[in-house]
Amino acid sequence: TQLLEQSPQFLSIQEGENLTVYCNSSSVFSSLQWYRQEPGEGPVLLVTVVTGGEVKKLKRLTFQFGDARKDSSLHITAAQPGDTGLYLCAGGDNYGQNFVFGPGTRLSVLP
Amino acid sequence: DAGVTQSPTHLIKTRGQQVTLRCSPKSGHDTVSWYQQALGQGPQFIFQYYEEEERQRGNFPDRFSGHQFPNYSSELNVNALLLGDSALYLCASSLGSLREQYFGPGTRLTVT
Repeated sequence: TQLLEQSPQFLSIQEGENLTVYCNSSSVFSSLQWYRQEPGEGPVLLVTVVTGGEVKKLKRLTFQFGDARKDSSLHITAAQPGDTGLYLCAGGDNYGQNFVFGPGTRLSVLP
Repeated sequence: DAGVTQSPTHLIKTRGQQVTLRCSPKSGHDTVSWYQQALGQGPQFIFQYYEEEERQRGNFPDRFSGHQFPNYSSELNVNALLLGDSALYLCASSLGSLREQYFGPGTRLTVT
């Protein structure tokens, strides 16, 4: 069974600070996705990474897929209160199946 | 273009009852997956429907069943409700695989 771990579990920072959250597994994933979920809403897809070592940028967010495709990181530069939410990583096998979510990192950015 | 919609938004049931949740996928999507998200946790995969058949199933008991209709919409049925079934139930749609999923806002089920 593929499992994903995320760290830290909770993170509270001041507006303008930088942060990195991590997603780790002992299993290899063919692709890994990052979602952000706000209270009372469903997760919103931020990015999909598929190639080991791949780096993708989405405005102030930088996503990296580990070379071995077992881990990923999300770096946020100059965090803003609008970045507050639950950040979830999720991964699947080559057929996009056996899909699992990590437990999430709950980020709070204080003004 | 309407995204994924779910109904109802909230639901309160008592132990032992049965519940049906509904989902309409994003336009153009043919695959619907259901997830259970307990408070403070990540979503747990229940099952996936494609071409009106259950294609994959997570580690959930047979009390959880579903259906997909020819228009790709889907239902999740839960029988003999337990207190532990209280959660946010999320529906996600995609074209084919699970790689690019779009989620609905969820149905909050409370079992008392």
